[in-house]
Amino acid sequence: DIVMTQSPLSLPVTPGEPASISCTSDQSLLHSNGNNFLAWYLQKPGQSPQLLIYLGSNRASGVPDRFSGSGSGTDFTLKISRVEAEDVGVYYCMQALQIPITFGQGTRLEIK
Amino acid sequence: EVQLVESGGGLVQPGGSLRLSCAASGFTFSNYWMYWVRQAPVKGLEWVARIKVDGSEEHYVDSVKGRFTISRDNAKNSLFLQMNSLRAEDTAVYYCARSQRSAFDMWGQGTMVTVSS
Repeated sequence: DIVMTQSPLSLPVTPGEPASISCTSDQSLLHSNGNNFLAWYLQKPGQSPQLLIYLGSNRASGVPDRFSGSGSGTDFTLKISRVEAEDVGVYYCMQALQIPITFGQGTRLEIK
Repeated sequence: EVQLVESGGGLVQPGGSLRLSCAASGFTFSNYWMYWVRQAPVKGLEWVARIKVDGSEEHYVDSVKGRFTISRDNAKNSLFLQMNSLRAEDTAVYYCARSQRSAFDMWGQGTMVTVSS
């Protein structure tokens, strides 16, 4: 199984400041078609997860452009350019290259 | 409205069975691979099972193989998860999810399954 590791696990951020979450995999997520099979989700308190980024760096429909995804192979980053109060929750990375699909442990973003 | 709505959760004794359903609406259900993902209380997300668009392929996480069966009825826009021989560690919120571009772009609200005597 591909192991996904996120850091940090807790992220206190002042509104308006940037934030960054790292996700590493123990195997490359780069498919032969050139896509990285890595997605990012946000689970707001009391809600279902929602898709933020797919294929490593593509913003999902309706996702604000302050969210961006980057990286390739085994190292990926989710960046929020200016954190807003509505961004609080738990962020997960997920690999879909191989079955079983696996998630990172989650990073809890909180507002200072 | 484009949505997924799960149902069928509840309290069941260890060794018991439960069948979850997921009703899809607002999109062409038969065009998408569909998934079940679960989240144990105060825990992270765990992929459980997936099924191909026409139901011809199924895959499971090792911990549920031989106990859970995923199925779908494209005529009724419905996804199912038959769960047998339930264990305490199966206690979780179960989400159905739609897959597009190798990510889950739509999730249901979840249904809670509690396995306890």
